[in-house]
Amino acid sequence: DQQVKQNSPSLSVQEGRISILNCDYTNSMFDYFLWYKKYPAEGPTFLISISSIKDKNEDGRFTVFLNKSAKHLSLHIVPSQPGDSAVYFCAALLGNQFYFGTGTSLTVIP
Amino acid sequence: DVKVTQSSRYLVKRTGEKVFLECVQDMDHENMFWYRQDPGLGLRLIYFSYDVKMKEKGDIPEGYSVSREKKERFSLILESASTNQTSMYLCASSLDRRDEQFFGPGTRLTVL
Repeated sequence: DQQVKQNSPSLSVQEGRISILNCDYTNSMFDYFLWYKKYPAEGPTFLISISSIKDKNEDGRFTVFLNKSAKHLSLHIVPSQPGDSAVYFCAALLGNQFYFGTGTSLTVIP
Repeated sequence: DVKVTQSSRYLVKRTGEKVFLECVQDMDHENMFWYRQDPGLGLRLIYFSYDVKMKEKGDIPEGYSVSREKKERFSLILESASTNQTSMYLCASSLDRRDEQFFGPGTRLTVL
């Protein structure tokens, strides 16, 4: 049973606009969340993280928001660039194991 | 920079064959992981290891085994490959189990 879900398999955004990628989880015991980015023919690479004691973390163009009451996580990319086109995975930590979402394929249109 | 390498990018095997997938990391990480990635299912953990000769089952260990004889190397073994094991296999390592993981490029395995 999928504990971490990304309900949008794909997303297209115009260059310069905001990209918002969403992630929902079912287990309130998850206490640490990460976002990874994956290009074709490469492994995922770490992008940004957030602890459950925070509701926002920012790193340059990337901001992650956590809404614990809604069990919802989102990644905002502003402004979006063509090089951001990739598959994005969210991951949630429970104990010593990460549980990954199904991924969202982002296309940034020049 | 952490580097995680996997022995093959593409592999084609026949049903019933024994398959070895090798993974090597060069940053002295304690923890190593094997995942498979399937469309609509994301990354699912098969096995992980937190020390040499130690292993723990992940969510989908059936049909797989692992070996970690040296700290830098973690092998995934398919004892008797089946067509439902056709997938992308990703190896990862991390310094601490709660840290970000560094992934290899993946092995696309096709079982005919």
